[in-house]
Amino acid sequence: DTAVSQTPKYLVTQMGNDKSIKCEQNLGHDTMYWYKQDSKKFLKIMFSYNNKELIINETVPNRFSPKSPDKAHLNLHINSLELGDSAVYFCASSQMVAGSNEQFFGPGTRLTVL
Amino acid sequence: RKEVEQDPGPFNVPEGATVAFNCTYSNSASQSFFWYRQDCRKEPKLLMSVYSSGNEDGRFTAQLNRASQYISLLIRDSKLSDSATYLCVVTTGFQKLVFGTGTRLLVSP
Repeated sequence: DTAVSQTPKYLVTQMGNDKSIKCEQNLGHDTMYWYKQDSKKFLKIMFSYNNKELIINETVPNRFSPKSPDKAHLNLHINSLELGDSAVYFCASSQMVAGSNEQFFGPGTRLTVL
Repeated sequence: RKEVEQDPGPFNVPEGATVAFNCTYSNSASQSFFWYRQDCRKEPKLLMSVYSSGNEDGRFTAQLNRASQYISLLIRDSKLSDSATYLCVVTTGFQKLVFGTGTRLLVSP
């Protein structure tokens, strides 16, 4: 029943490792997003895909690489993890319709880099 | 200057109180405005959209002043379950949401 799901929910790893977070939505939306919420609770967009095409790419280190195999999935791969990557990563989705901007968020992935 | 600024709080209020949150945004080209709610260790969820004419949803009233680039949220008759962080959000196109840092509300019995 979950509209936007993410796996894993928790991820603890060592510096320098490579890890992936997966996101899936069953709402039939055409746009998906990755957000990062840091320790100060500030939520900032990282990437957005519309129909598998990248449309928003904020200033994010190129160690972060999103991949959208289809409209319902948007994965995030992170290379060479650093301490500063520790945060909660939220996936979200929406339908790009004029006048409608509601985004539905997944439960978040809490990443801790040791 | 942050794109969206909010008083982080916390606002401590008793049940039944009326509480108001304010938010200012810097980009005059901002197109849409929202309040999202985020419970502790949970994802943000849309509370309500904000229109220039003002809009109300039960105990919640939102107002937008485009000239002053100011958004407000009023909560009447606060409930314990209203305790959360309230995020002011604006969009500038391509459905890019820009979040404020949030205002924390604690409603006590």
